[in-house]
Amino acid sequence: GAGVSQTPSNKVTEKGKYVELRCDPISGHTALYWYRQSLGQGPEFLIYFQGTGAADDSGLPNDRFFAVRPEGSVSTLKIQRTERGDSAVYLCASSLGQGEKLFFGSGTQLSVL
Amino acid sequence: GNSVTQMEGPVTLSEEAFLTINCTYTATGYPSLFWYVQYPGEGLQLLLKATKADDKGSNKGFEATYRKETTSFHLEKGSVQVSDSAVYFCALSDRSGGYNKLIFGAGTRLAVHP
Repeated sequence: GAGVSQTPSNKVTEKGKYVELRCDPISGHTALYWYRQSLGQGPEFLIYFQGTGAADDSGLPNDRFFAVRPEGSVSTLKIQRTERGDSAVYLCASSLGQGEKLFFGSGTQLSVL
Repeated sequence: GNSVTQMEGPVTLSEEAFLTINCTYTATGYPSLFWYVQYPGEGLQLLLKATKADDKGSNKGFEATYRKETTSFHLEKGSVQVSDSAVYFCALSDRSGGYNKLIFGAGTRLAVHP
């Protein structure tokens, strides 16, 4: 595809459930970022991948959050034991290389009931 | 720590009016500064950027100048159009790790009426 693709676009789950959010970056982009945007706020950094490795996971709020990028392309953000406070739009962005322009996906709206 | 503060919205203007959205930042060192725009139903897009003091970023009639002395990066446009209606985010990146770990402001919603 031409841009960063995120699936699903909307996810509704119940408190305590496990969810996975997927990001397909632009082909050839080695850098991948996850951000979280709460209602009325700007995006907040979660994690940065360069290739397959998480180079910076300092923004993950706690150990319920985990992200992988096993082949250096698609990434999955995993949230265990979801809480209502996890409700937000989760954004993925990719760039051609470290320090290059970021291209954002349209996000996954996560609602925890 | 690093932070970005931008003026609260919504900002409501008539078409062809002059636009200013204020943005100030707190950062150690010399960050790069950005304006991103989020049109309804679309993802965030880079609007313009500046990487050092006194640089002016510009795109689509929008401009912003990196002012180190006032730690500001205000967004301006001389004549807005209805199609400029969107949410605008100011952001910085300290690039300390060589990558774009962006810190965003809360966003300012702009509504332009015919």
